[in-house]
Amino acid sequence: DTGVSQDPRHKITKRGQNVTFRCDPISEHNRLYWYRQTLGQGPEFLTYFQNEAQLEKSRLLSDRFSAERPKGSFSTLEIQRTEQGDSAMYLCASSSLGFQRETQYFGPGTRLLVL
Amino acid sequence: GQQLNQSPQSMFIQEGEDVSMNCTSSSIFNTWLWYKQDPGEGPVLLIALYKAGELTSNGRLTAQFGITRKDSFLNISASIPSDVGIYFCAGLNAGNMLTFGGGTRLMVKP
Repeated sequence: DTGVSQDPRHKITKRGQNVTFRCDPISEHNRLYWYRQTLGQGPEFLTYFQNEAQLEKSRLLSDRFSAERPKGSFSTLEIQRTEQGDSAMYLCASSSLGFQRETQYFGPGTRLLVL
Repeated sequence: GQQLNQSPQSMFIQEGEDVSMNCTSSSIFNTWLWYKQDPGEGPVLLIALYKAGELTSNGRLTAQFGITRKDSFLNISASIPSDVGIYFCAGLNAGNMLTFGGGTRLMVKP
C-alpha cells in the first residue's frame, strides 16, 4: 500500500496559463476526492468520483475547473486561465466503497502559486 | 464556507502537558475524523469515529463523538515535541463530503 500520490508537488505559473494536476489513489480505492486548502484554513471540498463517475461538484468548482477520472483509477484536475485567487494547496483523497466506515486518506498535495 | 467551529485556534504548551481541543457544528454528522497536518504536507488521519458516544484511543490520543452528533473532542496526553502541527476535525455527511474545522495549531516547548 503506497498511499495516495500527487504530482507535481509544487507548481508556479503565470496568470492566464492552464495547469493540470494528477492524483493516484490508494490501489483498489474506488472513491476519489479533490479538496482545496488556502493558507490558514481547513481543506474545502471540490468534487468526488466513484469509479469513473463524477458524483458531486462544489459551487467552488467554477467552469474554469475540470476533473476527470477516465478509467476509474488516477484522476486529473485542470484549471484553465488561472487567476491569482487559484493559488492554494490542492489535495486529493481516496476511500473504499463497500464498508460502512468511510475514511478518507489524503495525498501530500500540490501547491499552486499563480503569479 | 466551513460549518465547523474548532477551538482553540492555537495552543502553546510545555512538553509533558495534556492537550484538549474540540469541534462543534450546526449540522449533524455521521462520522467524525481527526487529522494532523505538517507544513507543506497533506492531512494524516489520526482517529475516526463512527457512532454517537463513541470513545476511541490511538496511543496518547483519545477522541469522542458527541452524543448529539454535532460535536467531537480530541485529547493528547503527555505531549512531546513531535506533536507540533495543525490538528483538524472533519465531519462526514451523507454526501461523502468532508467539512473541516479551521484547525488548532499546537506548539510544544521542550
